[in-house]
Amino acid sequence: AQSVTQLDSQVPVFEEAPVELRCNYSSSVSVYLFWYVQYPNQGLQLLLKYLSGSTLVKGINGFEAEFNKSQTSFHLRKPSVHISDTAEYFCAVTPRDDKIIFGKGTRLHILP
Amino acid sequence: DAGITQSPRHKVTETGTPVTLRCHQTENHRYMYWYRQDPGHGLRLIHYSYGVKDTDKGEVSDGYSVSRSKTEDFLLTLESATSSQTSVYFCAISAPPGGRENIQYFGAGTRLSVL
Repeated sequence: AQSVTQLDSQVPVFEEAPVELRCNYSSSVSVYLFWYVQYPNQGLQLLLKYLSGSTLVKGINGFEAEFNKSQTSFHLRKPSVHISDTAEYFCAVTPRDDKIIFGKGTRLHILP
Repeated sequence: DAGITQSPRHKVTETGTPVTLRCHQTENHRYMYWYRQDPGHGLRLIHYSYGVKDTDKGEVSDGYSVSRSKTEDFLLTLESATSSQTSVYFCAISAPPGGRENIQYFGAGTRLSVL
């Protein structure tokens, strides 16, 4: 069975500082990997995805993530956060022929 | 929200009453999903549909039923609402799993309070 672990439930970071949100997954088969973002009182929207190819994936709003197969990780990073990045971030994994599985989310708090 | 409309957006009801939430899509996607979101639990799949009249259970299906009589509509029913079903409910749609576009698109959510 597949699973997704987001290691931090909340991450506080000062504005303009870098941030990394951690995600590890377990799977016995090849998977697709995603990060979704949920702004307050909204639904989830896709931030970026890894399907194949380059392990460094760039998404919207300056975010990027790196797929590390040996460590089964897909950490999300941004070099300089803005107050508008305040949101909850969800890592997700899907085996290539099955339903998506979400992590429990990481709340990103931007401190002024 | 990728052509997905959830209604109502907010609802307050009493324990024991039936409640139906509606998800409507204009994208003609075959797969539709209902999730609930609760603090500390992330998103949990309730039911999903892979075509008209084709549905299956997710991990937290007890107390919920679904119906899909048209491609564009997916209904979630709480036959007799309980306080434990107070939550935010999200509908999502996707192309069939396995394709390179196996991405889910979400509605804006329905906030349900059962008193």
